[in-house]
Amino acid sequence: DQQVKQNSPSLSVQEGRISILNCDYTNSMFDYFLWYKKYPAEGPTFLISISSIKDKNEDGRFTVFLNKSAKHLSLHIVPSQPGDSAVYFCAATLRGGNKLVFGAGTILRVKS
Amino acid sequence: DAGVIQSPRHEVTEMGQEVTLRCKPISGHNSLFWYRQTMMRGLELLIYFNNNVPIDDSGMPEDRFSAKMPNASFSTLKIQPSEPRDSAVYFCASSLAGINTEAFFGQGTRLTVV
Repeated sequence: DQQVKQNSPSLSVQEGRISILNCDYTNSMFDYFLWYKKYPAEGPTFLISISSIKDKNEDGRFTVFLNKSAKHLSLHIVPSQPGDSAVYFCAATLRGGNKLVFGAGTILRVKS
Repeated sequence: DAGVIQSPRHEVTEMGQEVTLRCKPISGHNSLFWYRQTMMRGLELLIYFNNNVPIDDSGMPEDRFSAKMPNASFSTLKIQPSEPRDSAVYFCASSLAGINTEAFFGQGTRLTVV
């Protein structure tokens, strides 16, 4: 049973436009959410996170939105750049713990 | 710090052989995780340790898989006997336990069982 779901396997966006990556979760005990980016032949690297007490967190071109009632979060990248092309993983942790549960990932391609 | 170090980077082995993957976490981190990445299931958590103690191994697929952490600076994931369906990229990650912070990943070991 996948507790963190990324239903879009891939996304293609034009350079300069907005990229929106979505993530849904089923466990209401999750209280901290993270996005990781992964390039080929490398390990995932941390991108941005959000606590369940917030509904938005922004870091430069990256913004994560959290909708607790819908158990949904999204990552917005504006403007998208070709170097953003990678696999993006959504992850969540259980309250009081640090066990990271990942989604299956979304491949983002930014076309120049 | 060099980050999380995994070895080998690539491993090709024959079905039935024993495979051992190695990981050195970031110094000072007291949580260590083993993940497996496949096309179908993405990143699956296999097992994680806090202070060298296994906390949750519910993700370990079968008894053929075992993991140890004899000290704070070293962990192994062993598959015995290996099967073709074990072919995947195996990642080790470490973090500071008890803090809502990110885990740092190694570059992974690509395992191919033929």
